[in-house]
Amino acid sequence: DSGVTQTPKHLITATGQRVTLRCSPRSGDLSVYWYQQSLDQGLQFLIQYYNGEERAKGNILERFSAQQFPDLHSELNLSSLELGDSALYFCASSFGLAGAAEQYFGPGTRLTVT
Amino acid sequence: AQKITQTQPGMFVQEKEAVTLDCTYDTSDQSYGLFWYKQPSSGEMIFLIYQGSYDEQNATEGRYSLNFQKARKSANLVISASQLGDSAMYFCAMRELQGAQKLVFGQGTRLTINP
Repeated sequence: DSGVTQTPKHLITATGQRVTLRCSPRSGDLSVYWYQQSLDQGLQFLIQYYNGEERAKGNILERFSAQQFPDLHSELNLSSLELGDSALYFCASSFGLAGAAEQYFGPGTRLTVT
Repeated sequence: AQKITQTQPGMFVQEKEAVTLDCTYDTSDQSYGLFWYKQPSSGEMIFLIYQGSYDEQNATEGRYSLNFQKARKSANLVISASQLGDSAMYFCAMRELQGAQKLVFGQGTRLTINP
């Protein structure tokens, strides 16, 4: 158990809908990262938050947004869902910004868009 | 831009044998970290081992060791005495140690351990 929790574990929804994925980082970790794992794109970085502020953005679509709350949990919002958004979405956390701290991954949320 | 290449889509190994999973990387940064993660069929990503670009010694963690050859830009994972439970996808990843902390992943290698 990495100490990172993600809910829900599975999500099935229809095209055009909006969903929210939730992540709680390990106790004491200030950085949260979101990754998408799909069959065609592999594992891709979406966005990073550190202590409530956005720090880095990857290949995140405009239909997707995220935020990190004062209690450090984070939410990833996916809207106007398309079939191609079906993927495993991971949240990871680490303590800080600098150095070699490894990122601990949550169990992931498997999103299926039908 | 950073890039990770894993050239072995799948590998089959007999139990108790050692196995080497290949990883090459490309970066213009002088300061970076290299990681290996294991993803079993259950889906979670499990951190295995880390090597910093300035580390002179190869990293080791139990049965895992990282064969780091900086000049060749390779960071191969060696698993000694493989076990059935080692069957999984293995991902090599790298990260800048300054600036954005995102991990860039390779495409992965599916390792199957045969009894």
